[in-house]
Amino acid sequence: GNSVTQMEGPVTLSEEAFLTINCTYTATGYPSLFWYVQYPGEGLQLLLKATKADDKGSNKGFEATYRKETTSFHLEKGSVQVSDSAVYFCALKNQGGKLIFGQGTELSVKP
Amino acid sequence: DSGVTQTPKHLITATGQRVTLRCSPRSGDLSVYWYQQSLDQGLQFLIQYYNGEERAKGNILERFSAQQFPDLHSELNLSSLELGDSALYFCASSVASGYQETQYFGPGTRLLVL
Repeated sequence: GNSVTQMEGPVTLSEEAFLTINCTYTATGYPSLFWYVQYPGEGLQLLLKATKADDKGSNKGFEATYRKETTSFHLEKGSVQVSDSAVYFCALKNQGGKLIFGQGTELSVKP
Repeated sequence: DSGVTQTPKHLITATGQRVTLRCSPRSGDLSVYWYQQSLDQGLQFLIQYYNGEERAKGNILERFSAQQFPDLHSELNLSSLELGDSALYFCASSVASGYQETQYFGPGTRLLVL
């Protein structure tokens, strides 16, 4: 079946540090891949997405590349800010429309 | 602001009761999805409607039901509530249901069952 596995949190970084949150997936066919972010007390916001192999999604300094050979979609940012503190969810979508989420990774950025 | 609205924002009720959660999708979106977020289960897909018709079902309990109305808003009905139903319930919408389409999430309804 389809599933998503993320690295466990919480991840604690200092401001301006480099961020990587690992995400790997299992899926039949060729899913689309997404990163969503949930700030404290809020709903989910789309951060970025990629719909085919080797696509790179990017937004607000965050990037992730769809790697079919390693079934991965790792999230990276070169220099994190305190305002990036949130929970990050990796998700996939196959035919049928529903999103399948990873367990979420909490990021805490200290000044 | 995603354009998806959900009411109420918070709901506190007792075991055995019934509640209705409401969702209005973004203008022009035909597909509505319901998800449940809880500490032990994470984010789980419950059900999807497309233009008034049920399209897909996930891990939705028999005590739960949903519908999408002609104006495309949707309601999720939760009955015979149990303590374990306490969770954050999200609605999301998209134009259609293709695998490349982005789903936009509402702010959620936080349900507490006492």
